[in-house]
Amino acid sequence: DTAVSQTPKYLVTQMGNDKSIKCEQNLGHDTMYWYKQDSKKFLKIMFSYNNKELIINETVPNRFSPKSPDKAHLNLHINSLELGDSAVYFCASSQGPLRETQYFGPGTRLLVL
Amino acid sequence: TQLLEQSPQFLSIQEGENLTVYCNSSSVFSSLQWYRQEPGEGPVLLVTVVTGGEVKKLKRLTFQFGDARKDSSLHITAAQPGDTGLYLCAGGGAGTYKYIFGTGTRLKVLA
Repeated sequence: DTAVSQTPKYLVTQMGNDKSIKCEQNLGHDTMYWYKQDSKKFLKIMFSYNNKELIINETVPNRFSPKSPDKAHLNLHINSLELGDSAVYFCASSQGPLRETQYFGPGTRLLVL
Repeated sequence: TQLLEQSPQFLSIQEGENLTVYCNSSSVFSSLQWYRQEPGEGPVLLVTVVTGGEVKKLKRLTFQFGDARKDSSLHITAAQPGDTGLYLCAGGGAGTYKYIFGTGTRLKVLA
């Protein structure tokens, strides 16, 4: 009965490849997020969707494209992967968009070689 | 750009000791949250404070929001090995949907 789940947990790939990370929440929340945590553990928001509508779009390379097919799912597609994309990517959800409690997934550890 | 600086960056203490972690900014936040993250997992919310000067207690953890809502502190009394983890503060600004996360404090409590 995992609240926020992500797949895969680990992702090792070569530079230049395209990869996707999937996220699902079973909490009935309206809002979902993608965060990037770098090697220094700094956590930075990338995107947020509320009811499938993009409400936060931080300054990230346009190689990163989020997609929300429904309220329970938020996927992240990354084109032309670069070494600097190596990080842990966290998905999170909250009941609404107004800075409520966020529930984080277990993270996807991406390593670009 | 809003920044949240946490101090100390690293802290290693013996079981039973007290400690305080600080979260400082030059910006005013409408609310501030504290999270704990354990290795291999996502952050878990500990508390949200919204009023300047507010103090909240969670067992041995005491959280305070600064009067000017620019800073916060987390005090742990009689630390235990189970308190080990990465502590993150996160500030929410008025009129935005997002929280800005702090630089993090890695705490290790030795038995």
